[in-house]
Amino acid sequence: DTAVSQTPKYLVTQMGNDKSIKCEQNLGHDTMYWYKQDSKKFLKIMFSYNNKELIINETVPNRFSPKSPDKAHLNLHINSLELGDSAVYFCASSPDRDPYNEQFFGPGTRLTVL
Amino acid sequence: AQSVTQLDSQVPVFEEAPVELRCNYSSSVSVYLFWYVQYPNQGLQLLLKYLSGSTLVKGINGFEAEFNKSQTSFHLRKPSVHISDTAEYFCAVSDQAGFQKLVFGTGTRLLVSP
Repeated sequence: DTAVSQTPKYLVTQMGNDKSIKCEQNLGHDTMYWYKQDSKKFLKIMFSYNNKELIINETVPNRFSPKSPDKAHLNLHINSLELGDSAVYFCASSPDRDPYNEQFFGPGTRLTVL
Repeated sequence: AQSVTQLDSQVPVFEEAPVELRCNYSSSVSVYLFWYVQYPNQGLQLLLKYLSGSTLVKGINGFEAEFNKSQTSFHLRKPSVHISDTAEYFCAVSDQAGFQKLVFGTGTRLLVSP
């Protein structure tokens, strides 16, 4: 029933490891997003995909690699994790890439890098 | 480029009192304006948005916001708050041209006490 779901909800790992976060939406939307929310609650877009095509790629280290196997899924893989990667990562979706749309957010994945 | 300023990081208020959460934005192009709410340990959900037309916009849960172009503001108001309104509130803008790319403010924590 969940519109936008993310797994895992919590992720605790050591520096230098590689990890992935998965996101799925069952809303039939064409566009999906990844956001990073830091410890001060500041929310910043990282990537956006429209119909499996990358359309927004902010200044994110290339250790972060998004992958969209189909338009209902957008995964985030992070290589060589660093302490500064600790944050809450949110996935979101919208009907299409038009700027006036509402975005629907997942519950977030709290990543802690030790 | 756009930027959003939410001057109040935290707003304490008593139950049934009115509240205003302030949002100012800066942009060289026309933007759409949004307010999102984040309840504890959840993702964001849309409260309301301004696209065009009447400058007073009504949203869910009794919230409303007024767009003021000359002051580049989009303040959020509620005439009588409930304990359940305790949450983080984010103002965001999106360029009217191109893809949706939300730029968020730093958030205002609304703390409602009995």
